[in-house]
Amino acid sequence: SQQGEEDPQALSIQEGENATMNCSYKTSINNLQWYRQNSGRGLVHLILIRSNEREKHSGRLRVTLDTSKKSSSLLITASRAADTASYFCATAPIISNDYKLSFGAGTTVTVRA
Amino acid sequence: SAVISQKPSRDICQRGTSLTIQCQVDSQVTMMFWYRQQPGQSLTLIATANQGSEATYESGFVIDKFPISRPNLTFSTLTVSNMSPEDSSIYLCSVSGGNQETQYFGPGTRLLVL
Repeated sequence: SQQGEEDPQALSIQEGENATMNCSYKTSINNLQWYRQNSGRGLVHLILIRSNEREKHSGRLRVTLDTSKKSSSLLITASRAADTASYFCATAPIISNDYKLSFGAGTTVTVRA
Repeated sequence: SAVISQKPSRDICQRGTSLTIQCQVDSQVTMMFWYRQQPGQSLTLIATANQGSEATYESGFVIDKFPISRPNLTFSTLTVSNMSPEDSSIYLCSVSGGNQETQYFGPGTRLLVL
């Protein structure tokens, strides 16, 4: 079942600008992940942040996690046209032996040239 | 990382018929997952398929409607049975990565039911 809520639902920015999207969740988690989906294709894993981490970087991506607020943000810096995609957060429950993920509603990002 | 292929990539089907979607992985994996993504929506887990055991279905999904096979560690099929227009979705398979935390996804099967 979906646990994450994301905002905004859609985001349109100019190439070179930064894009920020947020994810909120309801129950305690082991980790939170972000995935990208291009044009209804398969999802690609971007980054994973654990519940004991507050911030993580990967290239132009910066992820924060606030477990007290049950929220995370994904920042894409210096956006490019190729960043146009839908971005989903996914949470893994704190106690799980089945490795299932719950996906948020997603944010659709459009980067204008 | 695992490389996953799905067949067919897309199909248009008549209501009342069934479609079997194949998922092939380039390495042996324990856990495979099947998701449905309705138009403009997020992913909803249909079932978890482990080799050698019956698939575990999520609430709202039943074996009669979505039978799953998992004959070996690199292959699985999902059948969408007795289709209706409401079954029009993208169906995605995924596998757990080596650390079991992340998932790798196939390219999806885009299904339209008329």
